[in-house]
Amino acid sequence: KAGVTQTPRYLIKTRGQQVTLSCSPISGHRSVSWYQQTPGQGLQFLFEYFSETQRNKGNFPGRFSGRQFSNSRSEMNVSTLELGDSALYLCASSLTDRNTGELFFGEGSRLTVL
Amino acid sequence: AQSVTQLDSHVSVSEGTPVLLRCNYSSSYSPSLFWYVQHPNKGLQLLLKYTSAATLVKGINGFEAEFKKSETSFHLTKPSAHMSDAAEYFCVVANTGGFKTIFGAGTRLFVKA
Repeated sequence: KAGVTQTPRYLIKTRGQQVTLSCSPISGHRSVSWYQQTPGQGLQFLFEYFSETQRNKGNFPGRFSGRQFSNSRSEMNVSTLELGDSALYLCASSLTDRNTGELFFGEGSRLTVL
Repeated sequence: AQSVTQLDSHVSVSEGTPVLLRCNYSSSYSPSLFWYVQHPNKGLQLLLKYTSAATLVKGINGFEAEFKKSETSFHLTKPSAHMSDAAEYFCVVANTGGFKTIFGAGTRLFVKA
């Protein structure tokens, strides 16, 4: 059974640009959640999608957005990039609700903003 | 409300000695508790979970954790550390009562040869 796949694994952008990250969940999983991980702030919840609907949202500015497609694949977008957006972005899938806690993580997309 | 506190940001042990990573939680409801491990430049992997069955939970790679309600603790242990255990460990509290899954700040485990 294939795991959670995130693309791209590494990317470098400059301030003001925008970026789109992709996440393919485990087959049959309907919930996809996104997290930002930085050395200073640790692991912070961005948002969760379930059956194409955003269920929960963390405390991030509107520059961070996401969506989920009918096949459960998800994308997140960050517009007008800032230096502080440099981070490892992790996607996790779960069978039903992320609040059951049993999450399956991808290896992440490491974004560097110059 | 829910919260989780990992009491040590860093733990250093010698190979072959026991590992203890400490986690305290707070939850208004009966929580589900988890430990995840993250190796460098990798995603998080589930080590073990407690969901109100046995209080002593066994996980992968020889790790186990004991749920102690009276102490609101869920410490992670391993009898004998291996070099490959060097990683960051996250304690997580979750609740299907509508509260969000909460991740601890993480404990980085160093294993010396």
